[in-house]
Amino acid sequence: AQSVTQLDSQVPVFEEAPVELRCNYSSSVSVYLFWYVQYPNQGLQLLLKYLSGSTLVESINGFEAEFNKSQTSFHLRKPSVHISDTAEYFCAATKTSGSRLTFGEGTQLTVNP
Amino acid sequence: DVKVTQSSRYLVKRTGEKVFLECVQDMDHENMFWYRQDPGLGLRLIYFSYDVKMKEKGDIPEGYSVSREKKERFSLILESASTNQTSMYLCASSFNSLGGYTFGSGTRLTVV
Repeated sequence: AQSVTQLDSQVPVFEEAPVELRCNYSSSVSVYLFWYVQYPNQGLQLLLKYLSGSTLVESINGFEAEFNKSQTSFHLRKPSVHISDTAEYFCAATKTSGSRLTFGEGTQLTVNP
Repeated sequence: DVKVTQSSRYLVKRTGEKVFLECVQDMDHENMFWYRQDPGLGLRLIYFSYDVKMKEKGDIPEGYSVSREKKERFSLILESASTNQTSMYLCASSFNSLGGYTFGSGTRLTVV
């Protein structure tokens, strides 16, 4: 089974600063990668995913993630964060369409004014 | 708008009670999942189901059971609730994993 590691449990940043949330996965011949976001008192929402093709994927709210096969990483970045980005972010991976997702431990992003 | 609905947002139960957590999805998804979420531990899979009347154990099935009598409904059962089952419980469904999962809003269960 896949394993997913999120290297930071808490990331505090100031508003308008750039941010990177780190995610590493166990290597596999093929892997599909996801980032989910969980706002306070809500369920998880899919933020973006990498299935194939371009290694850089983007979300509608300015986040992007880059699939790096050599470093087995899928870090999430945003050049300028807002207060409303405060949430917990989960990285997830699967090997095939029929396999279940494996989630990382989560990273709490707190954006301060 | 597609939805996964969990019947309760907050629940308080006593030790030893039998607890039912209900989850309904309206997307005709084959796959349904129950997770618990605890600080520092992320999401841990309790049980999942790939079809009606089918169930598979996840990573932490002890103390739980599930029921899937209809495609749209997946119930999580705590046979005899204990304080260490106090947690946030999240239900999800999917067509396949490549499309991602759709999650419910969660049920925060407190066992006293």
